[in-house]
Amino acid sequence: QSALTQPPSASGSSGQSVTISCTGTSSDVGGYNYVSWYQQYPGKAPQLMIYEVSKRPSGVPDRFSGSKSGNTASLTVSGLQAVDEADYYCSSYAGSNNWVFGGGTKLTVL
Amino acid sequence: EVQLVESGGGLVQPGRSLRLSCAASGFTFDDYAMHWVRQGPGKGLEWVSGISWNSGKIGYAASVKGRFTISRDNAKNSLYLQMNSLRAEDTALYYCVKDKNYDSGGAFDYWGQGTLVTVSS
Repeated sequence: QSALTQPPSASGSSGQSVTISCTGTSSDVGGYNYVSWYQQYPGKAPQLMIYEVSKRPSGVPDRFSGSKSGNTASLTVSGLQAVDEADYYCSSYAGSNNWVFGGGTKLTVL
Repeated sequence: EVQLVESGGGLVQPGRSLRLSCAASGFTFDDYAMHWVRQGPGKGLEWVSGISWNSGKIGYAASVKGRFTISRDNAKNSLYLQMNSLRAEDTALYYCVKDKNYDSGGAFDYWGQGTLVTVSS
């Protein structure tokens, strides 16, 4: 049950696109299409942004998109806005009723 | 409106026990799996434990297996986490989290505000 690997930080200018990676193994990210992404503001509870690799819950802007290739999942934020500055976490089902999170990525909008 | 309200956190000495509770409302509780996720001070999210809609499937993180027990009472729309043999590294904000699915493999679509557990002598 090792944590998924995310870059500690990412940044982009307002209006640009940024992609955050999430690397696991064939036992988690690569083995299931149950990768999800969460946005967390300081002092607040996380919010689901993407589930099942690329699906967006109702109310999440379509600027947020997800994908997966092999053992690596990615979250792309297009048309960056100041409000997107937050911490982002990926999560994956890891089999046998277990889940694992990534270490988190702090997104800065320049 | 989905609401998840945690309670039971507090300051506890190493080696002692604590029981967290989560009161759920605004959805059909026994249609969904539920989880506990924690976040240490200044740290990332860590999945702790999950339970399916009928308690038939339960999982634990390796860091808590054998010390923590998750349970649910569908008649009371409540989720619980019994934490025994607590350690300093269990200090965290504990979130009660609803799953999108009834069983395995879902995503965490609603989160409570958390209850703080501090393990210290």
